[in-house]
Amino acid sequence: RKEVEQDPGPFNVPEGATVAFNCTYSNSASQSFFWYRQDCRKEPKLLMSVYSSGNEDGRFTAQLNRASQYISLLIRDSKLSDSATYLCVVSTSGTYKYIFGTGTRLKVLA
Amino acid sequence: GAVVSQHPSWVICKSGTSVKIECRSLDFQATTMFWYRQFPKQSLMLMATSNEGSKATYEQGVEKDKFLINHASLTLSTLTVTSAHPEDSSFYICSARDPRGPGELFFGEGSRLTVL
Repeated sequence: RKEVEQDPGPFNVPEGATVAFNCTYSNSASQSFFWYRQDCRKEPKLLMSVYSSGNEDGRFTAQLNRASQYISLLIRDSKLSDSATYLCVVSTSGTYKYIFGTGTRLKVLA
Repeated sequence: GAVVSQHPSWVICKSGTSVKIECRSLDFQATTMFWYRQFPKQSLMLMATSNEGSKATYEQGVEKDKFLINHASLTLSTLTVTSAHPEDSSFYICSARDPRGPGELFFGEGSRLTVL
């Protein structure tokens, strides 16, 4: 089993739709969680950190479920510009080790 | 967010030559930086962890004599691809951990290497 797993997609959704991605992790000692987006042929960019209580940034909501060991990303009112690959990143405190998921491809269609 | 700068963005070289890529943290000190490579339509692959003032830690299967990493200061790490071959052509990306926050990684812009 991979340490961090994501559905690779692609998720093809119409503009305005709500879409959700999940990411599961296997190490129960994981402490820090992040969502990044990566556009084609570009570097990953931090979208948001994921906090235990869940957090929201505009149309994006991230949640953490420690009991089931997954994090989620919800995108509301999808825009064409949201088309990208979304990477889940998990880190274990004190190790400086970051584990990347393989990414979920999102394509928002006009 | 924090800024990590990588240079050069693009490099084309002849087979057998060496190429150096620089990664700088511009507004914070990074004791640890990471180097990745990414092939088209594939996920990031961690190559090595660069530690300031000490030897880098390489991932399994990554040749340390081929991919030389130097982290001589708290703001600069370099990756040198030695005796490059066409199969080394890839997108190389560095990242650094921002110690001021919850540990987010910030990435350089990436360096696209093409070996002829």
